[in-house]
Amino acid sequence: DAGVTQSPTHLIKTRGQQVTLRCSPKSGHDTVSWYQQALGQGPQFIFQYYEEEERQRGNFPDRFSGHQFPNYSSELNVNALLLGDSALYLCASSFPGLGNEQYFGPGTRLTVT
Amino acid sequence: KQEVTQIPAALSVPEGENLVLNCSFTDSAIYNLQWFRQDPGKGLTSLLLIQSSQREQTSGRLNASLDKSSGRSTLYIAASQPGDSATYLCAVTNQAGTALIFGKGTTLSVSS
Repeated sequence: DAGVTQSPTHLIKTRGQQVTLRCSPKSGHDTVSWYQQALGQGPQFIFQYYEEEERQRGNFPDRFSGHQFPNYSSELNVNALLLGDSALYLCASSFPGLGNEQYFGPGTRLTVT
Repeated sequence: KQEVTQIPAALSVPEGENLVLNCSFTDSAIYNLQWFRQDPGKGLTSLLLIQSSQREQTSGRLNASLDKSSGRSTLYIAASQPGDSATYLCAVTNQAGTALIFGKGTTLSVSS
């Protein structure tokens, strides 16, 4: 049973560029959430997707956008990258009927120079 | 606004010792509470999930308790091992059951 997978593992971008991160949920899960984790901090909630719609959004600017596909996989897009966007980006999947326990992927390390 | 605090920020113990990690949250209206383990530079591994109606959960050497009324949870680790060295994160799910709100974690080091 494959867990949550994310790609790429690492990414280096320049300020002002755009980036797309990808996530495939655990088998049987239909809900995908994205989190940003800065060094030494706990993850911060960006948004959650369910049935291809953004269900809830955290306190992040519109530069952060997402998408969920019919097969439940998801993308996180960040435009006009800032140095402060450097972080570990984590994807989590869940299924409401299973108590909403969230399972996390290995993350994508984004470095903005 | 929900805030989650974990104490201590770091903890060093010798192998074999039993230990307790603490987590507190400001709003008792939660859907559930999860404890996670994170190794350096890696993703999060779910350790225990406690639904808001439950008081505790156990898995192997781990036991987590939840007291919603006081806004507290503890993670008890029995007979610690060097392999337990990691950062332990506590997170509560908002009442809608969507977003996890995390503490900053407790970094545990177990020496042999």
